[in-house]
Amino acid sequence: GAVVSQHPSRVICKSGTSVKIECRSLDFQATTMFWYRQFPKQSLMLMATSNEGSKATYEQGVEKDKFLINHASLTLSTLTVTSAHPEDSSFYICSARALQGGKDEKLFFGSGTQLSVL
Amino acid sequence: DAKTTQPPSMDCAEGRAANLPCNHSTISGNEYVYWYRQIHSQGPQYIIHGLKNNETNEMASLIITEDRKSSTLILPHATLRDTAVYYCIAMYSGGGADGLTFGKGTHLIIQP
Repeated sequence: GAVVSQHPSRVICKSGTSVKIECRSLDFQATTMFWYRQFPKQSLMLMATSNEGSKATYEQGVEKDKFLINHASLTLSTLTVTSAHPEDSSFYICSARALQGGKDEKLFFGSGTQLSVL
Repeated sequence: DAKTTQPPSMDCAEGRAANLPCNHSTISGNEYVYWYRQIHSQGPQYIIHGLKNNETNEMASLIITEDRKSSTLILPHATLRDTAVYYCIAMYSGGGADGLTFGKGTHLIIQP
């Protein structure tokens, strides 16, 4: 199946610093990628939809100036957590849509990034 | 996307078949049923999906009722590595721009 690579897998940073997370589709092109956040013992929550060559669409309650998304190519989307604070500590997961023959698509997920802000 | 309902947890003995139910009574005609699972601290893994007909692949089988209001994911010979949270999701397939909406899923625990 299609592979989505996400890096780093774990990052620890000081409060006030910015952290960039990369998401790559390795063997397919993804015009749309999605970013999720997951707190302990909770389900995944969609944060934003990343569209190649255009601005990301954010879910209600997600600050676009704090979570910067860039989707500069068909295989790479990045999420930058700006001025991170301890409450931003979470598991961040990206996913990409892989079309098969134009329909009957699947979403594939990266392995996630555990962010810990001290 | 249609809302799905799953039991919060289930146990299954190792080597036995694990049958995970999902209700999706408001599913529309063009929404597929997708199953993903998430092992602790990892990204979700695709398992299987279907529209009307039953489906089988190397991981599992998906049984969808004729009225499409419910489905069952079957892991034929569960192993300890199948312990995970399983998510049943109804989603339109075909190039839409929507991400998956995850419910709380079923925490499947395989007992040795």
